[in-house]
Amino acid sequence: SQQGEEDPQALSIQEGENATMNCSYKTSINNLQWYRQNSGRGLVHLILIRSNEREKHSGRLRVTLDTSKKSSSLLITASRAADTASYFCATDAYRIQGAQKLVFGQGTRLTINP
Amino acid sequence: DAGVTQSPTHLIKTRGQQVTLRCSPKSGHDTVSWYQQALGQGPQFIFQYYEEEERQRGNFPDRFSGHQFPNYSSELNVNALLLGDSALYLCASSLVLSGGTRAYEQYFGPGTRLTVT
Repeated sequence: SQQGEEDPQALSIQEGENATMNCSYKTSINNLQWYRQNSGRGLVHLILIRSNEREKHSGRLRVTLDTSKKSSSLLITASRAADTASYFCATDAYRIQGAQKLVFGQGTRLTINP
Repeated sequence: DAGVTQSPTHLIKTRGQQVTLRCSPKSGHDTVSWYQQALGQGPQFIFQYYEEEERQRGNFPDRFSGHQFPNYSSELNVNALLLGDSALYLCASSLVLSGGTRAYEQYFGPGTRLTVT
């Protein structure tokens, strides 16, 4: 079962507008990561935010984390057609003997219209 | 710098058959994780291999098994295929840093699309 839930499931905006996606999760985490997936291919790591961080920036990306609400948001500013993709949040809940298990949400399908 | 590679790209199998998928990690990485992604869903963790041992496993039946070789490459085997096993299978690699801590970021391959008929 998925731990995270993204909201909205689909988002369609005009090029140049900002896109905001939200993610909620259920258990305590070590960190939360956002990934992008183009057309059912491999995932690309976008940004990681640790549980003791509240906000992080990377280029046109801004991620926030509210551990009290168990939620995160991804903001893409000045969107471009190339940003059209599915976006997933993934939580890294625990480590056992160095193992790592990412738990993904169901994703937000973002479409940027020219 | 070679990224994560997977083979084959696409595969069609019949119910009851067995399948083997292959993954080569990113250069310098020593850990491989496998994920199953059904259409329209997020990836689900199958298991992770490090030092040729299964270190962590998700909620998948024993029909799903794996192996890691000394060169860090990995195989995913699925026996007695079911229609519900049709999915994109993703391999991801990561690295144990000096001091034994693990880098958080995982690098994904392009996936193998498995269709079971």
